[in-house]
Amino acid sequence: NAGVTQTPKFRILKIGQSMTLQCAQDMNHNYMYWYRQDPGMGLKLIYYSVGAGITDKGEVPNGYNVSRSTTEDFPLRLELAAPSQTSVYFCASSYPPTNNEQFFGPGTRLTVL
Amino acid sequence: LAKTTQPISMDSYEGQEVNITCSHNNIATNDYITWYQQFPSQGPRFIIQGYKTKVTNEVASLFIPADRKSSTLSLPRVSLSDTAVYYCLVGPLGEWGTDKLIFGTGTRLQVFP
Repeated sequence: NAGVTQTPKFRILKIGQSMTLQCAQDMNHNYMYWYRQDPGMGLKLIYYSVGAGITDKGEVPNGYNVSRSTTEDFPLRLELAAPSQTSVYFCASSYPPTNNEQFFGPGTRLTVL
Repeated sequence: LAKTTQPISMDSYEGQEVNITCSHNNIATNDYITWYQQFPSQGPRFIIQGYKTKVTNEVASLFIPADRKSSTLSLPRVSLSDTAVYYCLVGPLGEWGTDKLIFGTGTRLQVFP
């Protein structure tokens, strides 16, 4: 199993550009999540999904959009990138909640200039 | 809101036992205590979870007193590779995206040779 994979690893965007961060998992997890982590800070939940076709906002959803058309994939869309979106983005997945274990991907480091 | 409080940082030497305490005075009856570890440039990794008394696995032990208002993550005989940030999360099973199960700033553990 590859676990949770994210692409790209690094990306530099100009202000106003758009991009999609890709996330895929091969563990057949229903639940998937997107977090951002600013330097020296904890992770903040952007969006999450409890299954294909179902998404919901987390703590910091503004400026982002998600979709969940399959169990495996959960892309995060940034529209009109802003410097405040410079961060490391982590995708995670989990089973239905028998515990609070999430499995994280390696992250995407995004810089908006 | 089961807000958690942890020390910002701790130092230790190789071979010592490290105890990281998390305070959660407003813990609710259905809340669980979960700890994650995050190495630099990686996503967090689940370490251990408990509800009451003591839980032990191959990585750590978690001690929870009867009132459950605090918990202590114990790492036996740390090595340099245990240098990481440790997060304490408190919340019900699977209720991510609410005001619980939040990754705060964590405790930065530095292990010296």
